[in-house]
Amino acid sequence: QVQLVESGGGLVKPGGSLRLSCAASGFIFSDYYLTWIRQAPGKGLEWISYISSSGGAIYYADSVKGRFTISRDNAKNSLYLQMNSLRADDTAVYYCVRDPDWGQGTLVTVSS
Amino acid sequence: SYELTQPSSVSVSPGQTARITCSGDVLTKKNVRWYQQKPGQAPVLVIYKDSERPSGIPERFSGSNSGTTVTLTISGAQVEDEADYYCYSATDNNRVFGGGTKLTVL
Repeated sequence: QVQLVESGGGLVKPGGSLRLSCAASGFIFSDYYLTWIRQAPGKGLEWISYISSSGGAIYYADSVKGRFTISRDNAKNSLYLQMNSLRADDTAVYYCVRDPDWGQGTLVTVSS
Repeated sequence: SYELTQPSSVSVSPGQTARITCSGDVLTKKNVRWYQQKPGQAPVLVIYKDSERPSGIPERFSGSNSGTTVTLTISGAQVEDEADYYCYSATDNNRVFGGGTKLTVL
């Protein structure tokens, strides 16, 4: 069955960086586009980034553009999100999504 | 930026029909999804392409799209349907969630 396992979350100071990873299995990874979606504590869902199956098309939400970078390694069945210049409002659970399947999420907390 | 507007809450009694709306300037046909999220869990896709149900989703869940408003209908809502529901629209380079609707079945 499809599995998406996020890792790399944790506590980071404002202005710091983190790299999230998503290890995928159970499907042909290189055939599918992937997205990162986040949810701040007690808040709604927010789409933040998309990457096509080949990596040739990439989109970002305005809230993260210029600070976050999405990438993938089809040989390793892995999706990544490099997050720089982190702010308190980036605090959220970050989900790796290959519709209709979601990972369980990884919590990123930005606090001094 | 593009926004989708949902009511913050909807309440029905068990067995009644629940309707959750989602409005935006342009809701491209066949590009709207609905997600159900229960507390402490990852979201679950309940409707895609406006009105298609993934396998395993009960038939009581249905969707429609009028062009500027999409509607998730739960016919004969059950207590286990109590959850937050989010609409989601995806076009070529624009993807956005609605603010979410808390459905209470009580």
